[in-house]
Amino acid sequence: EDKVVQSPLSLVVHEGDTVTLNCSYEVTNFRSLLWYKQEKKAPTFLFMLTSSGIEKKSGRLSSILDKKELFSILNITATQTGDSAVYLCAALNFGNEKLTFGTGTRLTIIP
Amino acid sequence: DTEVTQTPKHLVMGMTNKKSLKCEQHMGHRAMYWYKQKAKKPPELMFVYSYEKLSINESVPSRFSPECPNSSLLNLHLHALQPEDSALYLCASSQGGTPSPNYGYTFGSGTRLTVV
Repeated sequence: EDKVVQSPLSLVVHEGDTVTLNCSYEVTNFRSLLWYKQEKKAPTFLFMLTSSGIEKKSGRLSSILDKKELFSILNITATQTGDSAVYLCAALNFGNEKLTFGTGTRLTIIP
Repeated sequence: DTEVTQTPKHLVMGMTNKKSLKCEQHMGHRAMYWYKQKAKKPPELMFVYSYEKLSINESVPSRFSPECPNSSLLNLHLHALQPEDSALYLCASSQGGTPSPNYGYTFGSGTRLTVV
């Protein structure tokens, strides 16, 4: 059975801190790893990683995939209160378009 | 238009009711998805439609019945639900069967369903 595990489950930091969120996966016919931010309802797309070792960046957020060790990390630098959310990673299979989500990391930024 | 629109936003229904959830996108995406998300849990895939044909049914009970009338519209018909079916129902779409590396899957804001 496909499995995606995120750690930590929750994280509380002060504004300005840097955080690293972890995602490991065991997925048949792995294709890509996606990161989403979910604040209230709709998950918002952050990154899709398909190649190992290539960092993707968007502002203060960055992410990288290690296909040998089967994990990905999401870094957020200079955190702001608006970064408070649940961060979900999800693994995509080849062929059947199935997205398997991890349990999420609940990030809380204290002003 | 870069959105997936879901209606209604909230729905309360009795166990004997029949209701439908609606999802619409006008991005030309050819794959559409239904996910169920219980409180403090990740989304779980229910159904995948690819080019208006049902391609994946994740062993969902028959009281949930999906329908894809055209490439822009996805419905989820609900009948004889149980209180444990109360959840956030999310619709998503993607270009073809593979999501765009720049946009991934686009999710709607969901319908919060309560079964009483």
